[in-house]
Formats: sequence, C-alpha cells, structure tokens
Amino acid sequence: GQQLNQSPQSMFIQEGEDVSMNCTSSSIFNTWLWYKQDPGEGPVLLIALYKAGELTSNGRLTAQFGITRKDSFLNISASIPSDVGIYFCAGQIVQGAQKLVFGQGTRLTINP
Amino acid sequence: NAGVTQTPKFQVLKTGQSMTLQCAQDMNHEYMSWYRQDPGMGLRLIHYSVGAGITDQGEVPNGYNVSRSTTEDFPLRLLSAAPSQTSVYFCASSYGSRRETQYFGPGTRLLVL
Repeated sequence: GQQLNQSPQSMFIQEGEDVSMNCTSSSIFNTWLWYKQDPGEGPVLLIALYKAGELTSNGRLTAQFGITRKDSFLNISASIPSDVGIYFCAGQIVQGAQKLVFGQGTRLTINP
Repeated sequence: NAGVTQTPKFQVLKTGQSMTLQCAQDMNHEYMSWYRQDPGMGLRLIHYSVGAGITDQGEVPNGYNVSRSTTEDFPLRLLSAAPSQTSVYFCASSYGSRRETQYFGPGTRLLVL
C-alpha cells in the first residue's frame, strides 16, 4: 500500500524556536493534511492543502503542498509550550474519500 | 453537538474473546472510518463507510468486522481477539464532500492478553 515517510520522528527544541517537518511519498496525492494529536486525544486537523504548490497558513503554522504532489512540509514559527504533541501528515489519493494514509508522526517536545 | 464519541475508553480482553467498539456521531456525517494507531506507525485505516448500509475495507481489515445500519453509528467488531490487535482505535467521520475534513473521536485503548 501507499506509504508516507515523515521526518523527523522526534524534535526537542527550546521555546521560541521555529520547527520544520516534512512528509514524502512514492505516490501522488491530491490532498495533503496536517494533524496534531495531544495525549489521550484523537488527531485534530491543523491545515488542509488541495492544490500542488499551495501554501497555506493557520496562525503560526504554515504548510505547503509540493509541486510534484509527492511531498509536503509543515513549519511552526516561534514555538510555545502548547505546541507540544505529535504531528501527523496524511494524504488522500481521491479528494473527499475516506482513505487517508498517515505518516508515522513527529513528536515535538519543547523546553521552556 | 457531542461530535464523535467512542466507548469504551479502555478495554482489556483475553485472547479469543469478542467485543464491539462503539462509535457514534451526531453531525449527520455520511462518511465514517475506523483507524488503529500503533507506536511508530501512524494511523492505519481498518474499514470505512460512505453511508448507511455501505462499508468497505481499508488497509488492515483482517480480524475486524463492521456494519452501518444507521447514519449515526459505526461499530467495530473483533470476533476473536488476538494480541496483535492491542492498539488504540480511532473512529472518524466527515460529510464526504471534496474538501471536508475528518473529525476524530477520543479513541479506545485496547489491550489483548
């Protein structure tokens, strides 16, 4: 099946630093999604990308849909303690369908 | 709205036992899905449904059954639990339109001994 390779697997940063993580795939996706998961909770959507080359921001978060449609990145600027959690990328081959393919996740830890 | 609810929150089973994980949503969403989350592997799709009476297999369907008799409910059944099914299970739902996001429930943590 399709696989998404997400990196890095974990990050340890100081509060205030910028964060960057990315996902790559051997398959073409028509939608890229970025989720955040807090401990004991389900994933919550942060940003959705629907078009190759699209750059979308949500507050301090910025994500891009790669031109090749095989990759995406997420940046977090000026990190704060509540950014701690696990970030997942997910891709859909068919937009609107239920078949999401998830990356392995990036665990973000912030030292105050 | 309660959103997506899942019960139980935590369950311990012995190998060979059966159980049903419940999922309900009150948003009138057509699409519902079940995922399992294992360490270092992200979430993997087990089964999904595009509407009442319609279900299909995802990436890892073996050992699980589903049915969708109503729009609101999408139970996941383990007929004979195995230790390999120890995981955290998430249910999700969406309207299913082109740009609709999936909303996830809080999860059920299952331990099979």
